[in-house]
Amino acid sequence: GAGVSQSPSNKVTEKGKDVELRCDPISGHTALYWYRQSLGQGLEFLIYFQGNSAPDKSGLPSDRFSAERTGGSVSTLTIQRTQQEDSAVYLCASSPAGQLLGYTFGSGTRLTVV
Amino acid sequence: GQQVMQIPQYQHVQEGEDFTTYCNSSTTLSNIQWYKQRPGGHPVFLIQLVKSGEVKKQKRLTFQFGEAKKNSSLHITATQTTDVGTYFCAGRGGGYQKVTFGTGTKLQVIP
Repeated sequence: GAGVSQSPSNKVTEKGKDVELRCDPISGHTALYWYRQSLGQGLEFLIYFQGNSAPDKSGLPSDRFSAERTGGSVSTLTIQRTQQEDSAVYLCASSPAGQLLGYTFGSGTRLTVV
Repeated sequence: GQQVMQIPQYQHVQEGEDFTTYCNSSTTLSNIQWYKQRPGGHPVFLIQLVKSGEVKKQKRLTFQFGEAKKNSSLHITATQTTDVGTYFCAGRGGGYQKVTFGTGTKLQVIP
């Protein structure tokens, strides 16, 4: 597609439920990133996929968080047993291989845990 | 791990005044990127600097990369209300490392 697509745009869930957030990167972009942004805060790195390499999971805050990227394209971020502190905007970004171009971000999924 | 700090955290300016945000990395960077996030929006890539001492301009925006490749700055001349938002720098080490985003500077322009 023309841009990075994320779904859903908004998600309200009850505490303790599992949620799945989807990211469809720009076609051909080999690098995909998930970030989390709480209201008025900066960008918190979660996970990074680069081609066929093992993902960099160093930013995942707990074992309730996991992500996969199927076929080098679509990625799903799963949060199990959601907590209120998980409420934030989850941003996905992709970039081409190499270092000469910036990230293109999606519009994000606003997750609210009630 | 790599840390990237930005100052100031917030800046209010009168429309027409200049604005500068500074970005400092704890380690040497291979390149640095700048992003702008409008209120309610997502970060949008502005520019990337690669060379030591590099200076690039985009209209009223001037970007600099330090000689030691550990710091950078973004200067906006004669701010406009359309410049409102949060400006993030993002530094990358070598290879295929991910970028590390700075803490951001939130700019408010008073008409």
